[in-house]
Amino acid sequence: EVQLVESGGGLVQPGGSLRLSCAASGFTFSSYWMHWVRQAPGKGLVWVSRINSDGSSTSYADSVKGRFTISRDNAKNTLYLQMNSLRAEDTAVYYCARVVGHYGPFDYWGQGTLVTVSS
Amino acid sequence: SYVLTQPPSVSVAPGKTARITCGGNNIGSKSVHWYQQKPGQAPVLVIYYDSDRPSGIPERFSGSNSGNTATLTISRVEAGDEADYYCQVWDSSSDPSGVFGGGTKLTVL
Repeated sequence: EVQLVESGGGLVQPGGSLRLSCAASGFTFSSYWMHWVRQAPGKGLVWVSRINSDGSSTSYADSVKGRFTISRDNAKNTLYLQMNSLRAEDTAVYYCARVVGHYGPFDYWGQGTLVTVSS
Repeated sequence: SYVLTQPPSVSVAPGKTARITCGGNNIGSKSVHWYQQKPGQAPVLVIYYDSDRPSGIPERFSGSNSGNTATLTISRVEAGDEADYYCQVWDSSSDPSGVFGGGTKLTVL
C-alpha cells in the first residue's frame, strides 16, 4: 500500500525556518518525481515545488523561489522541504504528492502537515 | 501564467447529474486531472488525462475536455459526493509548473 506521511509542521515566527519531511512507503520511491502542494486555510490547492527521481532537478513556484528548497534522500525514502524566510502568507497545510510520470496526475497524497507563520 | 477558472459552487439534487467546468485558454490541448477533497482530508484523484478513471472511482464520475472548457460530470449524485473539486494541468513553460483551478464546492441538496 502506498503511503506518504508528512511531518515537521508547526508554529513559527515570521522570518523563521522550518523543514518538512515526507516519509514514503509501499512503492519504489527512487523511481518517482515528487511534489509539494499547499493549501491555505479555507483556500484552494497551490503547487509549490517538484523534484525529479534522483534529485538532480528541481522547480519552484514563483511565490517560494529563493526561500524554499526541495530535496530527497532515496536511501531513506524521504522527501523534504526546507522553508526559510517564512511569511504569514506561507501559512497552509503542506501536502507531499507522488506524480505519475513526469507531468501527469498526482495519484497519491499525504495527509498534510500544518505550517502556521505568526508572531 | 496559465489560469484555470472554476465556478465557486454547484448545487444538485440527489440522483441528478452534476457538471463542474474548468475553463482555460485552449485547455483542450492539455491533459486535465480532477481531484475530490472532503473536509479535513487530502485530495483524491478522480479523473486523469481528461477522462480516465482510477481504480476504485465509481463509473458515475466521467470527464471531457475540448476547446476552452474541461468538464467533470457526476451522474446519479449521492450525498457522499459532496466535496470540493479541483481541476489541474501543467503549464506549457520549458519547466512546467502545476496549475490548479480555484475549486468548486459541490453541494448535494
